[in-house]
Amino acid sequence: AQRVTQPEKLLSVFKGAPVELKCNYSYSGSPELFWYVQYSRQRLQLLLRHISRESIKGFTADLNKGETSFHLKKPFAQEEDSAMYYCALRAGSARQLTFGSGTQLTVLP
Amino acid sequence: DTEVTQTPKHLVMGMTNKKSLKCEQHMGHRAMYWYKQKAKKPPELMFVYSYEKLSINESVPSRFSPECPNSSLLNLHLHALQPEDSALYLCASSQERTDRDTIYFGEGSWLTVV
Repeated sequence: AQRVTQPEKLLSVFKGAPVELKCNYSYSGSPELFWYVQYSRQRLQLLLRHISRESIKGFTADLNKGETSFHLKKPFAQEEDSAMYYCALRAGSARQLTFGSGTQLTVLP
Repeated sequence: DTEVTQTPKHLVMGMTNKKSLKCEQHMGHRAMYWYKQKAKKPPELMFVYSYEKLSINESVPSRFSPECPNSSLLNLHLHALQPEDSALYLCASSQERTDRDTIYFGEGSWLTVV
């Protein structure tokens, strides 16, 4: 069975500082990895997916199959980045997502 | 239109009530999902519908009864719920094509069982 681990429940950084939200996964096959963001009282939104290899709102994430990681990074955090971030995995031909426990990011002024 | 719309936004119901949550999407998606999310916790999958047929039931108690009347609509019928069922219920949809599939979530329905 697949599993997603986000080791940090809470993460605080100052505005302008780099930020990295960690995500590790376990899955024997070839996974599809996603980062979703949930701003306060708003819907869960897709931020990044590994197959797109794009940068959204300054965030990037690289799938490292050797380390089974998909860490989310941003070089200069902004206050509006404060939100709950979920790493998620879709396994093989499955339709559903398996979510990590989430990291609450707070960007301090 | 890239929205999944859920109604009602808030629902308070007693343990003997019967109510329904509704979800609608007009993106032509053929897979629809119900997730349950407790405060500060990740969403947990409840049901998956694929082409209007129930494909996954994650051992959800029978007091939750999903229904997919057509490809755009998904309902969750609620009956004899318990206070611990109070949560945010999220509907989601996706296209059903593996390599281009993005799952879109609705804003959710906040359910309180009293």
